[in-house]
Amino acid sequence: NAGVMQNPRHLVRRRGQEARLRCSPVKGHSHVYWYRQLPEEGLKFMVYLQKENIIDESGMPKERFSAEFPKEGPSILRIQQVVRGDSAAYFCASSSQGGVGYGYTFGSGTRLTVV
Amino acid sequence: TQLLEQSPQFLSIQEGENLTVYCNSSSVFSSLQWYRQEPGEGPVLLVTVVTGGEVKKLKRLTFQFGDARKDSSLHITAAQPGDTGLYLCAGAPVISGNTGKLIFGQGTTLQVKP
Repeated sequence: NAGVMQNPRHLVRRRGQEARLRCSPVKGHSHVYWYRQLPEEGLKFMVYLQKENIIDESGMPKERFSAEFPKEGPSILRIQQVVRGDSAAYFCASSSQGGVGYGYTFGSGTRLTVV
Repeated sequence: TQLLEQSPQFLSIQEGENLTVYCNSSSVFSSLQWYRQEPGEGPVLLVTVVTGGEVKKLKRLTFQFGDARKDSSLHITAAQPGDTGLYLCAGAPVISGNTGKLIFGQGTTLQVKP
């Protein structure tokens, strides 16, 4: 499968627990983006990463959220001490070069439910 | 705050009809993309337009980027039930630089009845 792989597809967490969302980009893509889709809202940009670097995190909540894209392995979006308002679909996208002119490939998303 | 307003939000038509979806903003975008999203899946890129006034065709779909790069439209000719889905426009704001950040519209849910 040459696409963006996200796992898990569905994740249920109790309030206060941690959520870890994983994203493996298209093979050869070194640019990763995370977006959040809240119920009844559109996709909102969260963060843009290259290998080992955060390029733009202007859409990330200041607390409890962090993202990384290590030299080896998938990109991780981590949400600490989850609250009900974190329930959403989280999408990862990748591209071969930076900048949207090259087009994104999105994964199928992780649907986080906080109970 | 940059916003992309999509209209209409919902559209239900009969097979064979034509339709146009609009995406408008007061901001200038360096490029604009259209995606289609199926329930439970991620958006799939249909097209990227970069130049003001650009028109791109993809079979029965025609995409246009406004001359001022603030708006775009998607026109579908002779719609088919297989066109049913959520259509999203997304733009890269000029003032954001080349960071890869996209602003998404709210989406247009299209239903094509046989």
